[in-house]
Amino acid sequence: QKEVEQNSGPLSVPEGAIASLNCTYSDRVSQSFFWYRQYSGKSPELIMSIYSNGDKEDGRFTAQLNKASQYVSLLIRDSQPSDSATYLCAGQGDDYKLSFGAGTTVTVRA
Amino acid sequence: DVKVTQSSRYLVKRTGEKVFLECVQDMDHENMFWYRQDPGLGLRLIYFSYDVKMKEKGDIPEGYSVSREKKERFSLILESASTNQTSMYLCASKLQGTGANVLTFGAGSRLTVL
Repeated sequence: QKEVEQNSGPLSVPEGAIASLNCTYSDRVSQSFFWYRQYSGKSPELIMSIYSNGDKEDGRFTAQLNKASQYVSLLIRDSQPSDSATYLCAGQGDDYKLSFGAGTTVTVRA
Repeated sequence: DVKVTQSSRYLVKRTGEKVFLECVQDMDHENMFWYRQDPGLGLRLIYFSYDVKMKEKGDIPEGYSVSREKKERFSLILESASTNQTSMYLCASKLQGTGANVLTFGAGSRLTVL
């Protein structure tokens, strides 16, 4: 089993809609979780981190973590064309390494 | 304000050539990482380094080696490049410790091996 599995999409949503991205993880990466956004041709940048069960909101972004079911999700509310990018889920275990999912490409249609 | 600098954005090499990819960070970070990114596979860890002269294998170290002689510099070496090493290579760094988990990435080096 891969350490982090991500539904690879692609995901197309109309402007103003909610984009929902999901990620599951193995026992090896159960400490901390991160969502990175990567625009085409650019390097990834951190947009959300979450460490404990529940929801964490930051502007239009909400990260959700469910440790019992081993999944983490990202909701993008009021999606904008500028949100069109690839979103990478990452998890960290007891060591210093981050394991990344394959990424989900989101396209927001104007 | 560029914090992680990868010396080459685009490289074209021939099979069997030795390739050096350089990465320099100016944030005094202890931990540095080399990933490769391929479509549908996401980022895969090649090697990482906790500190100067320390290195650990990641998930796909075969065909690669690294060097960290100074804290700010982490080099990825392809001893004999092969076509399956054509990829985007991303360097990243972060502070030591599980409480400091934000990776800062460089702009990437796109390597093509012919």
